[in-house]
Amino acid sequence: YVLTQPPSVSVAPGKTARITCGGNNIGGKSVHWYQQRPGQAPILVVYDDSDRPSGIPERFSGSNSGNTATLTISRVEAGDEADYYCQVWDSSTSVFGGGTKLNVL
Amino acid sequence: QVQLQESGPGLVKPSGTLSLTCAVSGGSVNSDNWWTWVRQPPGKGLEWIGEIYNSGNTNYNPSLRGRATISLDKSKNQFSLKISSVTAAETAMYYCARSVRGQLDDHFDHWGQGTLVTVSS
Repeated sequence: YVLTQPPSVSVAPGKTARITCGGNNIGGKSVHWYQQRPGQAPILVVYDDSDRPSGIPERFSGSNSGNTATLTISRVEAGDEADYYCQVWDSSTSVFGGGTKLNVL
Repeated sequence: QVQLQESGPGLVKPSGTLSLTCAVSGGSVNSDNWWTWVRQPPGKGLEWIGEIYNSGNTNYNPSLRGRATISLDKSKNQFSLKISSVTAAETAMYYCARSVRGQLDDHFDHWGQGTLVTVSS
């Protein structure tokens, strides 16, 4: 199972960033999203398509339908600049997308 | 708060065996969770290696073609990873993580800081 993410997304501070994750009928799966800042371990920012772990700002939200899942970051801040990865399960195997670098202009 | 800490040799020779351990604190490897290994080559994305449950059941990434083994040591509250016949392409940061059950499947809610393993002669 292949997950396709754009290599990079650029957004100005205060604007909204949308990072997509494409997969065959991904809407039928549960999608999880991770943020990875340079030199750090990944952290979970959205799970089960649209739920946020405690401590993650409400600015982070997710949706999933059809062949595309989307991570939306509202009111983008400089500290949001990072790599973002989507993740799903397929036949007892976990799969990550290739990652998207969010550039804050 | 669950914490995970990877440890092991930072340098492994080609065709050798990579061995890492993940020590768990603030939680138990005997809990109702799967325990996972993920790796990341320098400058590249994340790759799931495999997982183990408290029963000893395991799942592995088919791409490793049977070279990976994950085991559990409940007495030390840790789990381990071995990958045999490694190549330079397996030079990577290796992370351990805890899986928790969501509505349909698992996500990784706690991660170790990672340990860099270089495969080189």
